[in-house]
Amino acid sequence: EAQVVESGEGLVQPGGSLKLSCAVSGITFSDSPMHWVRQASGKGLEWVGRIRNRAHSYATHYGASVEGRFTISRDDSKNTAYLQMHSLKTEDTAVYYCIGDGEKPFDSWGQGALVTVSS
Amino acid sequence: QTVVTQEPSLTVSPGGTVTLTCASSTGAVTSGYYPNWFQQKPGQAPRSLIYSTNNKQPWTPARFSGSLLGGKAALTLSSVQPEDEAEYYCLLYSGGPWVFGGGTKLTVL
Repeated sequence: EAQVVESGEGLVQPGGSLKLSCAVSGITFSDSPMHWVRQASGKGLEWVGRIRNRAHSYATHYGASVEGRFTISRDDSKNTAYLQMHSLKTEDTAVYYCIGDGEKPFDSWGQGALVTVSS
Repeated sequence: QTVVTQEPSLTVSPGGTVTLTCASSTGAVTSGYYPNWFQQKPGQAPRSLIYSTNNKQPWTPARFSGSLLGGKAALTLSSVQPEDEAEYYCLLYSGGPWVFGGGTKLTVL
């Protein structure tokens, strides 16, 4: 069974940086694209970005609201994906979910990590 | 940037049938958008129900089905159960980025 565990959550001031980690087990991590999705309190889901696998040259894509500020990376030797966030704004406050493809696309979700951007 | 539109809310009676739709601002939704559907209940993480238009996850009840309908992606729930009351989100691939719809709050009443 897939296990996806986000870590690194916390409180950060506007303009600051934070890095989330996503540790994965129970799936073939190196084959899986890894997505990040966020949800502000009481709001809908927002796709943040994705990193593809080695066969697709670890290509990354980002949502318009985070492009240029957020970077997704991965370490296949550690079965871990990362979300590096810079120039954080109050509107980046949300629960951040990490998602992988286990047997099927988008079938492996973490429980989420809360990022709060506030002074 | 692509905008994905869903009905904000729908109400269905237990045992009834309801169809949720997902439209793209770029035009008709095709299989190339790889439509996904997710269900989220209060206090829980979302979970995948449907991927690539009409493929079910192992845990997806048979009463859920995905399709393309009139230029949109569609999620149809048949013989609706009270436990189907939830928020439903579609997700479309837009040639690089993916984009979520705003979600449909489904009430079973």
